[in-house]
Amino acid sequence: RKEVEQDPGPFNVPEGATVAFNCTYSNSASQSFFWYRQDCRKEPKLLMSVYSSGNEDGRFTAQLNRASQYISLLIRDSKLSDSATYLCVVNLPGGGNKLTFGTGTQLKVEL
Amino acid sequence: NAGVMQNPRHLVRRRGQEARLRCSPMKGHSHVYWYRQLPEEGLKFMVYLQKENIIDESGMPKERFSAEFPKEGPSILRIQQVVRGDSAAYFCASSPGDHGYTFGSGTRLTVV
Repeated sequence: RKEVEQDPGPFNVPEGATVAFNCTYSNSASQSFFWYRQDCRKEPKLLMSVYSSGNEDGRFTAQLNRASQYISLLIRDSKLSDSATYLCVVNLPGGGNKLTFGTGTQLKVEL
Repeated sequence: NAGVMQNPRHLVRRRGQEARLRCSPMKGHSHVYWYRQLPEEGLKFMVYLQKENIIDESGMPKERFSAEFPKEGPSILRIQQVVRGDSAAYFCASSPGDHGYTFGSGTRLTVV
């Protein structure tokens, strides 16, 4: 089983739609959780950290369910500029600052 | 304050040649990480270095790959006798401590 699993997509949605991505992780002792965004052939960039209490940044909401080992990202009122690959990222226990990446979920926002 | 600088951006090597990838961390960052992204795959951790020390190389292939982060100068990821399967994007990241990653733009290695 992969350490971090995501649906690869693509998710094709119209502008203004709400879209949700899910991610599961296998190691229950994982410590930190993040969503990164990667545009085609570019470096990944931190979108937001994910906390058990849930956190929101503008149109983006992230949730963590430790019991189910499940992370989600909700994007409301999607924009064309949101088109990218969204990477679920976990910091495993004992890994120092080493990050484990999912393979990403591709989002395409269309007119 | 320049970000993490990687060079070259693109590198083409023939099978059997050596590839040297450079990474200059952000000013004030003493921790460097190298990741590899194969086509259509996620980023995979390779190695974590602090100045003059390899802290974790659990993701490095046992042969042909080496990394260093000298006291002066950039971190170097070296791949000897490259093969087609080494073609990938290699990303470097730096941090000042145990959090706060910043990635460089990557080096795209193509082995022909």
